[in-house]
This record gives sequence, structure tokens and C-alpha cells, in this order.
Amino acid sequence: NAGVTQTPKFQVLKTGQSMTLQCAQDMNHNSMYWYRQDPGMGLRLIYYSASEGTTDKGEVPNGYNVSRLNKREFSLRLESAAPSQTSVYFCASSGGGRDEQYFGPGTRLTVT
Amino acid sequence: AQRVTQPEKLLSVFKGAPVELKCNYSYSGSPELFWYVQYSRQRLQLLLRHISRESIKGFTADLNKGETSFHLKKPFAQEEDSAMYYCALSGRGTYKYIFGTGTRLKVLA
Repeated sequence: NAGVTQTPKFQVLKTGQSMTLQCAQDMNHNSMYWYRQDPGMGLRLIYYSASEGTTDKGEVPNGYNVSRLNKREFSLRLESAAPSQTSVYFCASSGGGRDEQYFGPGTRLTVT
Repeated sequence: AQRVTQPEKLLSVFKGAPVELKCNYSYSGSPELFWYVQYSRQRLQLLLRHISRESIKGFTADLNKGETSFHLKKPFAQEEDSAMYYCALSGRGTYKYIFGTGTRLKVLA
């Protein structure tokens, strides 16, 4: 099992460009999450999907959109990238509720 | 407000010394507390959770509801313990975690 996979691993964007970060899990988990990790800020939740067909905002959703394509896949879209979105993005999945979260390897995004 | 506080950004200790990484939380209800660890070039992974009351890699953490703390302890630090440690909280009836800002532990030879 690959667990949680993310693509791409690295990306450089210019201000105003758009892109989609892809995430997939093969653990048959109901819940999936997108976080950003910034120095001194820890991990902050952007969006999450408690189950297939539902999505909800987290702590820092502005500038992002998500799609829960099916039970396996949860994508994060930046419609118009800004330098403030330079960060490392992590996808995670869990069985739900208070279950352990399993993380992907991360995507390092730089917006110039 | 729901919050997880890790007051130390960086903690340096010598090999063989005791380690305590502090975590305080603010939550109205019955939270579940976790410690996650991120070793260099590896993905974030669960270290331990309070409900399991396990000792993992020599680490333990006790939930103190009176002081609203969940400090991570190890009696004798090893160099391989050097990593980033995150305390996290999950509330009842929610799918969300709240993470602290993390503490980088450096164990010196």
C-alpha cells in the first residue's frame, strides 16, 4: 500500500497563476484533509472532507478550493496564487473522528 | 477558544539527558490529545495518543486535565529522537484536529 500520495512534490508559480494539488489514499479512509505548514505557525487546516461528497472549511480557507472527487481523491486548487501561499502543503486521511491521521509526503510550493 | 500551545520552538538537550516537550491546550469539552513527529525527510506520523496510554520509543505523555497539559517526556534522549514534534487535539463530534506550532528537538552528542 502506498498510503497517502501527493503530486507534485515541488512547484514554482508566478503570482496569479493557478494550479491543483492532487492527493490520493488507498486505505479506504472516509476523511481527508489539507494542511499548510509554515515556520512558526505549525500545521493549519485549510479544508477537510469528513466523508465522500462533503467538504468543509478549516482555519485558513481563503484563496483555496477543494474537490472530493471520490473516496480516494481530494484535490486542492489555488485559483490565483499569491506569495502568501508559499508554503508546504500536506494532505492527510483518517478513518474519521478522532482516528489517527496519515500524512502524505508534502508539496513544497513557492509563489514568486 | 480552542487552542494548542507549544511554548518552545527549539529544545536542545544532550544525549542521555531527560526530555520534556511542553503542550498546553484550551478546549471546552473532552478532547483527545496526540503527539505527532516528523523526522528529517520523512512524513508526519503519529507518535502516541493519550487514550492508548502506551510508551512509544521510550516516550510517554500524561493528560493532566487540571492543568490542561499533555507534556511529552523521555528519561534518556537519543540522537535519533531529533525531529519536529507536534501536539494536536481532536474534539468530540468533530473531524478536525488542532495542531500546535511545533517544537524542534535537537539531541546533541
